[in-house]
Amino acid sequence: AQSVTQPDIHITVSEGASLELRCNYSYGATPYLFWYVQSPGQGLQLLLKYFSGDTLVQGIKGFEAEFKRSQSSFNLRKPSVHWSDAAEYFCAVGGRAGNNRKLIWGLGTSLAVNP
Amino acid sequence: GAGVSQSPSNKVTEKGKDVELRCDPISGHTALYWYRQRLGQGLEFLIYFQGNSAPDKSGLPSDRFSAERTGESVSTLTIQRTQQEDSAVYLCASSLGSGDFEQYFGPGTRLTVT
Repeated sequence: AQSVTQPDIHITVSEGASLELRCNYSYGATPYLFWYVQSPGQGLQLLLKYFSGDTLVQGIKGFEAEFKRSQSSFNLRKPSVHWSDAAEYFCAVGGRAGNNRKLIWGLGTSLAVNP
Repeated sequence: GAGVSQSPSNKVTEKGKDVELRCDPISGHTALYWYRQRLGQGLEFLIYFQGNSAPDKSGLPSDRFSAERTGESVSTLTIQRTQQEDSAVYLCASSLGSGDFEQYFGPGTRLTVT
């Protein structure tokens, strides 16, 4: 079955600390992978995406993610967190087969940042 | 503005009333999605339109929920006989029908059923 797991429901980090948010997926084909961010009172915004090529992808706001096929993971990282990064983060996966472009979503990780 | 727009932004309705939520996708996007997000929860897929294909309605929680889309433009999500558990933010997203899957989200409609 196709699924996305974000093992951490809630994470708290100190401002300036590094961050890694985990995402594991189960998908039968080579996936398209996405990270979205939802800031308080804001809409969902795409942080970064992986389709092919370099497995380390750079996104907006200083975020990056690495696709590891062997581990079925697409973890999101940031070397130094800012207070404005406090938000909900969603991982999503889609497939290349057929015409169905529905994404499968994780349940999200809520990030709190301590000053 | 070329983004996805939704209306109304907020809707308060009494239990048992019908509501209609509207989504205007990005021009040229053939795929359109509706999601529900309850307070503090993740995205719950409701329905997906792709061009002229039959919509994927697999996420609609009950027959009180329905959605329509006119061609590749506006979509309306209708909830009949609203219940308190329908209170949530309803999000609409659109994407290109070919190429990548990137979804562009609207700001959502916050529905409160009293």
